[in-house]
Amino acid sequence: DTGVSQNPRHKITKRGQNVTFRCDPISEHNRLYWYRQTLGQGPEFLTYFQNEAQLEKSRLLSDRFSAERPKGSFSTLEIQRTEQGDSAMYLCASSLVAHYEQYFGPGTRLTVT
Amino acid sequence: AQRVTQPEKLLSVFKGAPVELKCNYSYSGSPELFWYVQYSRQRLQLLLRHISRESIKGFTADLNKGETSFHLKKPFAQEEDSAMYYCALRRRETSGSRLTFGEGTQLTVNP
Repeated sequence: DTGVSQNPRHKITKRGQNVTFRCDPISEHNRLYWYRQTLGQGPEFLTYFQNEAQLEKSRLLSDRFSAERPKGSFSTLEIQRTEQGDSAMYLCASSLVAHYEQYFGPGTRLTVT
Repeated sequence: AQRVTQPEKLLSVFKGAPVELKCNYSYSGSPELFWYVQYSRQRLQLLLRHISRESIKGFTADLNKGETSFHLKKPFAQEEDSAMYYCALRRRETSGSRLTFGEGTQLTVNP
């Protein structure tokens, strides 16, 4: 499968714990996006990278959230001191520079108990 | 700031009936509009974009700047069209920028 992959697919954690998700984009794609989707809502933009540079961050991305793409390939999204409100599906997408289509991964479903 | 509204969370039609999924947007600049679809147990994927003006799987959508709408239409719905549909907007001024999604419409096509 040469599509976008995300790991883990599911994560259950206790409030206050830190979690990290990984996204592997389509290999030749320089842009990588993170979105969050809560129940009954559409995906909401969190941040995006072009190669290793983080070019845009949403106000949704509080200081507990950090994303990296150190070598311009895979990306990680870390949430520190998780809260119940962080429970959501975290989606990753990738695209070529200046191309309109974003290709989505299957998502990581986070449940904070 | 841009915003996308899909007024119907649920839409149910019978096979062979016409279907229209509504999408309205607000954005003061020049928008690029898309429809994304998510079939059961599959990932979100692009269905069509307004610039290409093409028909995909029998679906069409026309951008109406006067009414700030981008409704998705199909003259004869099929059972395999049952899915969640999201309207999305991107600012044309900044290529590769974020997508702003609506809340989605769950379409069910009954036999």
